[in-house]
Amino acid sequence: NAGVTQTPKFRVLKTGQSMTLLCAQDMNHEYMYWYRQDPGMGLRLIHYSVGEGTTAKGEVPDGYNVSRLKKQNFLLGLESAAPSQTSVYFCASIGQGNQPQHFGDGTRLSIL
Amino acid sequence: GESVGLHLPTLSVQEGDNSIINCAYSNSASDYFIWYKQESGKGPQFIIDIRSNMDKRQGQRVTVLLNKTVKHLSLQIAATQPGDSAVYFCAEILSGGYNKLIFGAGTRLAVHP
Repeated sequence: NAGVTQTPKFRVLKTGQSMTLLCAQDMNHEYMYWYRQDPGMGLRLIHYSVGEGTTAKGEVPDGYNVSRLKKQNFLLGLESAAPSQTSVYFCASIGQGNQPQHFGDGTRLSIL
Repeated sequence: GESVGLHLPTLSVQEGDNSIINCAYSNSASDYFIWYKQESGKGPQFIIDIRSNMDKRQGQRVTVLLNKTVKHLSLQIAATQPGDSAVYFCAEILSGGYNKLIFGAGTRLAVHP
């Protein structure tokens, strides 16, 4: 039972490069989320999806795009990476209703 | 603005002692609260949750207390063990908000032998 799987686990980019982070869940969950976590801080919501084909902005969406073409996958894209996007990115999913979110182990992204 | 915060950034305890981690929230419309544990290099791991119609909930070695009057949440860990060392986050969910979590900054718990 894999749960929530994020790929890649680590990546270093140069400013201006593009990148796609993949989140896959095998729990048939409807809702999926992308967060970023900066040192010494809690997680902040970037974008989320309440179902296949739908996406919505979270707290800090600028500079990111997302897609949910398949129910089990939620992709986070950086079109032109900036040093301010250096962070740890977490994906989470949930079935329905008020339930605790299941998190992946994160993607550590450094932009030089 | 609406936020969830923590009173103490770090907490050091002796192995075997009880730990209490506190959290304040500001949105009275929140109806669901969750405590997460995050170990180094890992994603947040669910510990315990509580809904706004409750004031106490117990799990294995953990208890969450909710005081809606003062908008305060606490996590009590009994007989703290070295494996409890981690960063603990409280998070709130606004009713009708598609389960969007609002996280606090976190408290680091250090357990000493």
